[in-house]
Amino acid sequence: SAVISQKPSRDICQRGTSLTIQCQVDSQVTMMFWYRQQPGQSLTLIATANQGSEATYESGFVIDKFPISRPNLTFSTLTVSNMSPEDSSIYLCSVGGTDYNEQFFGPGTRLTVL
Amino acid sequence: DQQVKQNSPSLSVQEGRISILNCDYTNSMFDYFLWYKKYPAEGPTFLISISSIKDKNEDGRFTVFLNKSAKHLSLHIVPSQPGDSAVYFCAASVSSGGSNYKLTFGKGTLLTVNP
Repeated sequence: SAVISQKPSRDICQRGTSLTIQCQVDSQVTMMFWYRQQPGQSLTLIATANQGSEATYESGFVIDKFPISRPNLTFSTLTVSNMSPEDSSIYLCSVGGTDYNEQFFGPGTRLTVL
Repeated sequence: DQQVKQNSPSLSVQEGRISILNCDYTNSMFDYFLWYKKYPAEGPTFLISISSIKDKNEDGRFTVFLNKSAKHLSLHIVPSQPGDSAVYFCAASVSSGGSNYKLTFGKGTLLTVNP
C-alpha cells in the first residue's frame, strides 16, 4: 500500500480566499484522486488527476473552482478557489492500488470557511 | 440521489459480540463493493471487498455478504473488539468501461464497541 501525506491537515479561511492542498505519495502512481466529504455526507469524487494531462472533473465540479495540478507521479495539488462557507469540508486525496477498485487515502485536510 | 445508502448512522455493540453493518445500493450496474474503515483525523483505510460474482468474502474476523437480488450487502465483524470502533463506509463501483476507479460511497456508520 502507498503512504500518502497531505498538507495542511486543517485550516480556517476567510470567504473569498483560496487554499491549496498538497498531496504527496511515497511511490509513483499513475492516477490520483481528490474527494470531498461535506459534514454528515459521503465522500464524493471531485476529479481524477493524471500526470501530464488535464484533470477529469466529475459532474458538479469545475476547474475554475477546483484547479488541480499534477506535476509528477508522486505529487498533486487541489486548490479551493473563492471559498464560501459551503466549501467547509474534509478534502482527501487517494491513489489506486494494484486493483483500481481499491484506493488508498491520505489523512485528509479539514477546511473551515468563515 | 444517494446511490449507496447506509441507513444506520450509528451502531453500538458489546465487545465479543457480532457487529453487522448494512448497506443498500440502487444502481444495478455496480458490480464491485468495498468497505472502508475510518478513524478520526485519518483517511479511510480499505478493509474488505467483494465482486458481484460472489455472495460472500471472508478475511479473518471480517465477512462481507452480498445479496444482488436485494441490492444489499452487509459487513459482519466477529468477535467485535474495542479497536474496531470507527466509521465504516460502504462503497461501490462499476468494474468495466474504464471507470472502475470511481467509487460511490455511503454516508458511513459509526460503530462503537463497548468493553
